[in-house]
Amino acid sequence: NAGVTQTPKFQVLKTGQSMTLQCAQDMNHNSMYWYRQDPGMGLRLIYYSASEGTTDKGEVPNGYNVSRLNKREFSLRLESAAPSQTSVYFCASTGESKNIQYFGAGTRLSVL
Amino acid sequence: GESVGLHLPTLSVQEGDNSIINCAYSNSASDYFIWYKQESGKGPQFIIDIRSNMDKRQGQRVTVLLNKTVKHLSLQIAATQPGDSAVYFCAERGYGQNFVFGPGTRLSVLP
Repeated sequence: NAGVTQTPKFQVLKTGQSMTLQCAQDMNHNSMYWYRQDPGMGLRLIYYSASEGTTDKGEVPNGYNVSRLNKREFSLRLESAAPSQTSVYFCASTGESKNIQYFGAGTRLSVL
Repeated sequence: GESVGLHLPTLSVQEGDNSIINCAYSNSASDYFIWYKQESGKGPQFIIDIRSNMDKRQGQRVTVLLNKTVKHLSLQIAATQPGDSAVYFCAERGYGQNFVFGPGTRLSVLP
């Protein structure tokens, strides 16, 4: 099993461009999450999806949208990228044990 | 509001010594406290968790201690090895399914 797969691994955008970060898990997990990680800070929750068909805002949702396409896939979209969105983005999922989050390898995004 | 923080941003220990990584939290209503390890270039990986009604839990070479009186959490790593070098995050499960992560402590293991 691959676990949680994120694409792309790296991306450079110009201010105002849009893009979608993809995330897929093959563990049949119900809950999925998107975090951003900035230097010297812990992970901050952007959006989460408790189950297929539902999404909710986290701590820092402004400037982002999400789609829970099906049980496996949870995408994060930046409609108009800003330099403040330069960060490392992590997708995660949880199954029966809510405390064990499985993380992808991350997407390193730079907005110029 | 909720917050989880760490006392020390960096920690250096000699190989073979025990490591203690500390964490302070502010939300007394959290049900679980969790430790994650993040190696360079990778996503965080679950290490161990502890429920709020416990004060100690042991895993393989790791022990987590919870002191609710002073809202303090610690992770002890026995016989620290080079492979333990990483950033360690504490987290708490807040309202609903949200996790709140601390800023992390970088552990460096010296040969």
